[in-house]
Amino acid sequence: DADVTQTPRNRITKTGKRIMLECSQTKGHDRMYWYRQDPGLGLRLIYYSFDVKDINKGEISDGYSVSRQAQAKFSLSLESAIPNQTALYFCATSDLMSGSPPFFGPGTRLTVL
Amino acid sequence: QKEVEQNSGPLSVPEGAIASLNCTYSDRGSQSFFWYRQYSGKSPELIMFIYSNGDKEDGRFTAQLNKASQYVSLLIRDSQPSDSATYLCAVGPGTGNQFYFGTGTSLTVIP
Repeated sequence: DADVTQTPRNRITKTGKRIMLECSQTKGHDRMYWYRQDPGLGLRLIYYSFDVKDINKGEISDGYSVSRQAQAKFSLSLESAIPNQTALYFCATSDLMSGSPPFFGPGTRLTVL
Repeated sequence: QKEVEQNSGPLSVPEGAIASLNCTYSDRGSQSFFWYRQYSGKSPELIMFIYSNGDKEDGRFTAQLNKASQYVSLLIRDSQPSDSATYLCAVGPGTGNQFYFGTGTSLTVIP
């Protein structure tokens, strides 16, 4: 079984719809991250969480919200999707030890029409 | 100024040659430096990490770090067509306690 799973893997939705992307991990890592990737812009951090009670905004959090339901689960919500949120979304995890690299899930390709 | 800068390429090398990928970063407080490989449509995969100045070798890969120049590089020896991918440089955690990624360098190894 994969260490980090993301659901759904692909999603097409319409402008204005609410959508949730889910991430689960079995690596036992405390830290979890949501990134989006766009051509030419690289990976940009949306939100990150160092434990269940700790949620932090990344560089592009506007239009997104997150929930850390448990150590192993971290979900990303788009309250009212817009076309420029069309991107590849990655969940990542890392160990508590500072400097441990992020380990990425398989990604969710989201298209907003 | 971006936190992490990479030449986007594309970089093309013949099979068997050495591919050299470069990265600069702006946060002098950064402590950890990583190279990820990403195939088209797939997630980034960690291939090298380096924490101290100097060289670190792992098989055909060598990571080089120069903190004074804020420069990180990745050398791929005996390049293979299967090395064709985008290579992402990542740096952190620095003063913002985050990891920052470059936009990636696209590498093509020509058989």
